[in-house]
Amino acid sequence: DQQVKQNSPSLSVQEGRISILNCDYTNSMFDYFLWYKKYPAEGPTFLISISSIKDKNEDGRFTVFLNKSAKHLSLHIVPSQPGDSAVYFCASSSQGGSEKLVFGKGMKLTVNP
Amino acid sequence: DAGVTQSPTHLIKTRGQQVTLRCSPKSGHDTVSWYQQALGQGPQFIFQYYEEEERQRGNFPDRFSGHQFPNYSSELNVNALLLGDSALYLCASSSGDNPSTDTQYFGPGTRLTVL
Repeated sequence: DQQVKQNSPSLSVQEGRISILNCDYTNSMFDYFLWYKKYPAEGPTFLISISSIKDKNEDGRFTVFLNKSAKHLSLHIVPSQPGDSAVYFCASSSQGGSEKLVFGKGMKLTVNP
Repeated sequence: DAGVTQSPTHLIKTRGQQVTLRCSPKSGHDTVSWYQQALGQGPQFIFQYYEEEERQRGNFPDRFSGHQFPNYSSELNVNALLLGDSALYLCASSSGDNPSTDTQYFGPGTRLTVL
């Protein structure tokens, strides 16, 4: 029973264009959502988060959108850079960002120069 | 400021053996969580330690146990290793001051291979 789903295993975009990464969740108790990116041989690095009381959070080139009624969130990266190439994980929690996180399987983003 | 550190980096064991993995949290953090990441999967929560007590536990058998020391560092022990325990084991730390907004910071992981 996968509570957090990242249905697309990979995405390839051109440098300078927008990257849109999607995530769906099934547990209505989730109230905090995070995105992590992971380079090979490194641990996941926190990118951006959003609480369920908001529908958008922006940090530089990264914006996360939350649609609670659809149980869907997305990460927008604009403009995409080659250094953004990594595996991106969506994670959810029912108790805040420092508590148990439920992760999706991840999506590999490739940004081509 | 040192981030989360883990040791060893890689480990090879045989079925039935026992293993201990170690984690030092980020400076200022008092909460440590452990995750297992199998190949092609996202990290899966094992358990969390706070004030030297196991505070939360995921869906893992009792073969997985842990410990937190007074300096907040932590160990993950796995007994009677199975082939399916082969994975990347990630440690994450957080401060726990504001659980609603705090973030977990991950170490580089320990790659365990069970033969």
